[in-house]
Amino acid sequence: NAGVTQTPKFRVLKTGQSMTLLCAQDMNHEYMYWYRQDPGMGLRLIHYSVGEGTTAKGEVPDGYNVSRLKKQNFLLGLESAAPSQTSVYFCASSYSPRGGAGETQYFGPGTRLLVL
Amino acid sequence: AQSVTQLGSHVSVSEGALVLLRCNYSSSVPPYLFWYVQYPNQGLQLLLKYTSAATLVKGINGFEAEFKKSETSFHLTKPSAHMSDAAEYFCAVRGAYYGNNRLAFGKGNQVVVIP
Repeated sequence: NAGVTQTPKFRVLKTGQSMTLLCAQDMNHEYMYWYRQDPGMGLRLIHYSVGEGTTAKGEVPDGYNVSRLKKQNFLLGLESAAPSQTSVYFCASSYSPRGGAGETQYFGPGTRLLVL
Repeated sequence: AQSVTQLGSHVSVSEGALVLLRCNYSSSVPPYLFWYVQYPNQGLQLLLKYTSAATLVKGINGFEAEFKKSETSFHLTKPSAHMSDAAEYFCAVRGAYYGNNRLAFGKGNQVVVIP
């Protein structure tokens, strides 16, 4: 199993450009998440999905969109990048049976995004 | 809503000394609590988790944490620090009854191990 993979690993954008970050998991997990990590801020949830075809907003959703067309993939889009979106982006996934007991989130290696 | 507080963004510890990282949580429902570790340029890896079973939880790499409801705490300890423990550590909480598994993370502790 590859676990959770993220593409690309590093990207530089100019202000106003758009891009899509891809997250893929091969563990048949129902739930997937996108976080951003900034120095001294910990991880903050951007959007998440509890199943194929469903998405929901997290703590800091503005400026981002997501799609979950396939169970194994979760895409994060930036329509018009801003310097404030310079960050490290992590994807995670978890399996959650009904009434789940604290299922572990498994993280990808991250994508470093620099917006100039 | 759930939240966690981790004090002291940077923690220095001598090799062989006790590692103690503090985590206090706030939750309106019984919590599940997690400690994750992040090595440089890597994603987060689960160290241990509390899910309402034993209050003393043992994790990987010799770490353990104790859930204390009266103190709303879940501090992480390791008796003897090793150079390989240098990393960033995050405490996280989620509500036990929440079906979406959403975690709230603390701001992290950067651990530096001094030879």
